[in-house]
Amino acid sequence: DIQMTQSPPSLSASLGETVSIECRASEDIYSNLAWYQQKSGKSPQLLIYYASSLQDGVPSRFSGSGSGTQYSLKISGMQPEDEGVYYCLQGSKYPFTFGSGTKLEIK
Amino acid sequence: EVQLVETGGGLVQPGKSLKLTCATSGFTFSNAWMHWVRQSPEKQLEWVAQIKAKSNNYATYYAESVKGRFTISRDDSKSSVYLQMNSLKEEDTAIYYCTRTDYWGQGVMVTVSS
Repeated sequence: DIQMTQSPPSLSASLGETVSIECRASEDIYSNLAWYQQKSGKSPQLLIYYASSLQDGVPSRFSGSGSGTQYSLKISGMQPEDEGVYYCLQGSKYPFTFGSGTKLEIK
Repeated sequence: EVQLVETGGGLVQPGKSLKLTCATSGFTFSNAWMHWVRQSPEKQLEWVAQIKAKSNNYATYYAESVKGRFTISRDDSKSSVYLQMNSLKEEDTAIYYCTRTDYWGQGVMVTVSS
């Protein structure tokens, strides 16, 4: 199985700060990577697909980048509503696998 | 409006069975590749299974942890996808989500305990 190593496990950011979350795959996943945000008690919401494509309705402060085995999610200007847990998901090879999550809080 | 609504969860004893249903609307279900994903009490997300469309011969794929015990299926006439769960174990306790990957249901709780 492809292992997805996500970092950091938690993050605290000030309003307006730029934050980055990383996911490293154990093998090349050819940009078949999605990023999700999950708020407390809610279902995951798709932010980014195919590594860098912004899902409709998602604010432009969210961006994704990467290739091969290294991927990142950037939030350019932290907002209060961005608090939550962020997960990456690889869809390159079965079984699909998630990262372990990054809990993002407002400082 | 796209909607996915899961039903069928509950408390079940180890070794027993349960069937989850995901009723969908708002998109062309027959073309969609559908998944079940679960979230453990420790909040870890785990992909469980996928079923592709008729044009892909309804191909199915499973996580190793559920292979041989769980079966994903679909009824395009009802725009629904199902997860038949047999030989349930305590470690199957989780919230189960139905998803197209861009749209997710609200989830349904499955608790396996004696």
